[in-house]
Amino acid sequence: DAGVIQSPRHEVTEMGQEVTLRCKPISGHNSLFWYRQTMMRGLELLIYFNNNVPIDDSGMPEDRFSAKMPNASFSTLKIQPSEPRDSAVYFCASSEQAYQPQHFGDGTRLSIL
Amino acid sequence: KNEVEQSPQNLTAQEGEFITINCSYSVGISALHWLQQHPGGGIVSLFMLSSGKKKHGRLIATINIQEKHSSLHITASHPRDSAVYICAAVEYGNKLVFGAGTILRVKS
Repeated sequence: DAGVIQSPRHEVTEMGQEVTLRCKPISGHNSLFWYRQTMMRGLELLIYFNNNVPIDDSGMPEDRFSAKMPNASFSTLKIQPSEPRDSAVYFCASSEQAYQPQHFGDGTRLSIL
Repeated sequence: KNEVEQSPQNLTAQEGEFITINCSYSVGISALHWLQQHPGGGIVSLFMLSSGKKKHGRLIATINIQEKHSSLHITASHPRDSAVYICAAVEYGNKLVFGAGTILRVKS
């Protein structure tokens, strides 16, 4: 199995630009999670989906952040407009079902200048 | 007060030593994850447990639901065990609440 695939691995862009992070979960996994990791706050859950439906988006910092899961094999996390404080590593994870172990992607290291 | 507390924050051990990392949580949980993050940044789920004990190789994880406490033990530690170990409480609704992590360095 290829594991959870995230793209891009690294993104550097100027503030104000739109940023789109992509995630392909493990085939057959029904739950998908987006996390953010920073030095100051550690790992935080942003949003998670179950069967492509957003279940809890209370961790999404503000309206500049949005996430979609149009089908079982693809999800995006979008930041528009981006700000320097959005710089972080963004992880996507998936699990076979709710309450099963989560498998993490390698992360996207985002730098907003 | 954080909902998930880990101790110690930093740990340096000599190769071969027995290592214990502790995690206490204040939230109601359905399970608890132990995660490992290597310097390259990748995160691996080591264990997910809701009761008792689990063992995988030199790693052992225990949880006491009544005391809201979990421990991760590493026997015969090795430099390749050097990583950040993170415990994460699985709240009802499948939301993960993370501890701050324990930075482990094993010296040869």
